[in-house]
Amino acid sequence: QQQVKQSPQSLIVQKGGISIINCAYENTAFDYFPWYQQFPGKGPALLIAIRPDVSEKKEGRFTISFNKSAKQFSLHIMDSQPGDSATYFCAASRAGANSKLTFGKGITLSVRP
Amino acid sequence: ETGVTQTPRHLVMGMTNKKSLKCEQHLGHNAMYWYKQSAKKPLELMFVYSLEERVENNSVPSRFSPECPNSSHLFLHLHTLQPEDSALYLCASSQASLNANTGELFFGEGSRLTVL
Repeated sequence: QQQVKQSPQSLIVQKGGISIINCAYENTAFDYFPWYQQFPGKGPALLIAIRPDVSEKKEGRFTISFNKSAKQFSLHIMDSQPGDSATYFCAASRAGANSKLTFGKGITLSVRP
Repeated sequence: ETGVTQTPRHLVMGMTNKKSLKCEQHLGHNAMYWYKQSAKKPLELMFVYSLEERVENNSVPSRFSPECPNSSHLFLHLHTLQPEDSALYLCASSQASLNANTGELFFGEGSRLTVL
């Protein structure tokens, strides 16, 4: 059973547009939700993260929206740029000793110039 | 050297070979991880060394064996692998805490493994 599911599987957006990537989770004990960004030939890197005590977090052009009742969270990239083209992974974990991140499959974003 | 360094970056091996992947972190972290990345699949956690405890994913075959001689170095020993083991193997480190979520993971660039 996949505990963290991403959609869509791939996304193509024009430069300047809004990219939206969705993530749904199963385990109600999860309380930490990061997004990781991976460029070709590189390892994933933390982009932005949220905890369920807030419904939205914004860092520059990147925003996480969190819906606890629906068990969903999404990444919005405003004014998308070709340099944002990468693979994006959502993940989740629960509090506690040695808690581990559970990752989604990843979604490839292509921003066309 | 900074961050998390993995060697080799590329490895081709036959099914009867024995090889090792190496990871070194220069971040002062106390937890290190091995992940397997295959196309169109979630990142799969293989092994964790954290707070002097080793945790492993029970689905990982015994042909993979980790070694963590100290908090800065991590190895993945490979023997009698199968073609389906071909993947990108990522090492990561973090600062783990007893009472909190896993801290931010810092990944290396990965070792691309091809098993013939």
